[in-house]
Amino acid sequence: GNSVTQMEGPVTLSEEAFLTINCTYTATGYPSLFWYVQYPGEGLQLLLKATKADDKGSNKGFEATYRKETTSFHLEKGSVQVSDSAVYFCALSDIGRGSTLGRLYFGRGTQLTVWP
Amino acid sequence: DVKVTQSSRYLVKRTGEKVFLECVQDMDHENMFWYRQDPGLGLRLIYFSYDVKMKEKGDIPEGYSVSREKKERFSLILESASTNQTSMYLCASREGGDNEQFFGPGTRLTVL
Repeated sequence: GNSVTQMEGPVTLSEEAFLTINCTYTATGYPSLFWYVQYPGEGLQLLLKATKADDKGSNKGFEATYRKETTSFHLEKGSVQVSDSAVYFCALSDIGRGSTLGRLYFGRGTQLTVWP
Repeated sequence: DVKVTQSSRYLVKRTGEKVFLECVQDMDHENMFWYRQDPGLGLRLIYFSYDVKMKEKGDIPEGYSVSREKKERFSLILESASTNQTSMYLCASREGGDNEQFFGPGTRLTVL
């Protein structure tokens, strides 16, 4: 079946530190991969996505590369800011063969807190 | 700007009450979703709908039902609320296929 495993938090960093949040997946088809972010008191919003192997998604200084050989989609940022404090969710959407809708499968989320 | 709105940000109900959570999207999206979010469990899919009057069970449909009479509105119904349904409920919509899901701000439901 389809599932996503992401590193457990919370993650606490100082401003300008390097960030990595690990995400690995299991999928039966040909998934697209996503990172969503949830700021305090808000719903989720798409941060970045990649639709095929070796694609790199990027947005707001965050990057993630779709690695089919390691079934991973790790989120990275070179220099975090206080405003990056949020919960980050890795997700996959399987609209490959046999799938009719392409629902999302989410990881459990990783809380990131950045201190000034 | 795309928008998904949910009828309430906070809701307090009593055990056994019938509860309606409403979600409206203004993007003419085909697909709509209801999730619940609990600490340490992430988002779990309750129900989704890929068209008007169509619905599919997600991973945790027990104790819930849904209604989609119009394209823009997707309602989640708790027939008889229980304390284990205390949670954050998130609605989302999507144009279709592999496109981005847009989320509402969530409804924090407390069942006493």
